[in-house]
Amino acid sequence: DVKVTQSSRYLVKRTGEKVFLECVQDMDHENMFWYRQDPGLGLRLIYFSYDVKMKEKGDIPEGYSVSREKKERFSLILESASTNQTSMYLCASTLQGIEGEQYFGPGTRLTVT
Amino acid sequence: ILNVEQSPQSLHVQEGDSTNFTCSFPSSNFYALHWYRWETAKSPEALFVMTLNGDEKKKGRISATLNTKEGYSYLYIKGSQPEDSATYLCAFPNTGNQFYFGTGTSLTVIP
Repeated sequence: DVKVTQSSRYLVKRTGEKVFLECVQDMDHENMFWYRQDPGLGLRLIYFSYDVKMKEKGDIPEGYSVSREKKERFSLILESASTNQTSMYLCASTLQGIEGEQYFGPGTRLTVT
Repeated sequence: ILNVEQSPQSLHVQEGDSTNFTCSFPSSNFYALHWYRWETAKSPEALFVMTLNGDEKKKGRISATLNTKEGYSYLYIKGSQPEDSATYLCAFPNTGNQFYFGTGTSLTVIP
């Protein structure tokens, strides 16, 4: 079974802190994604990566950066956390491109106070 | 940003009822349409990936159809059970590997 893990289920941070969310997948998937989920808005893509050291912006990259130094790990970085970044963050991976089903991690519920 | 819409937003049905909901997506530049089920406190899980116009896929009591020409897909659940309670998401990818999700249909099956 494909497993996608995220470093924390719940996280509370203060405004202005630098926040790291880690995602690891164990199936040698090429593509990895970071989404945030907010009520009434559905899943929105922040960044994705199709290879090591490669990244592409999604719909809402402002205030975020990413890092993919190894194939299995994709990190989301909040450079200076703000209260409007309080959200559920989901990581996903897929072997193929658009025809491959996405495998999701359990999510990290981040609260910025 | 591509517009992917799902309806209804939420649905309450009695156990044993059959139900269906809709995902609408742009009919141009179609490559695939994904359906996911997201149960509370769990990760979203893929139900179907559909690529061909007229395709119909089935998994147990759940099935889906696809009309790429008019830009919609239906998800059907036959004889709903309480364990079917979840949010059902559809996703429409573009050629750049970017997935656009609908806001989901929240299904509650009342025992």
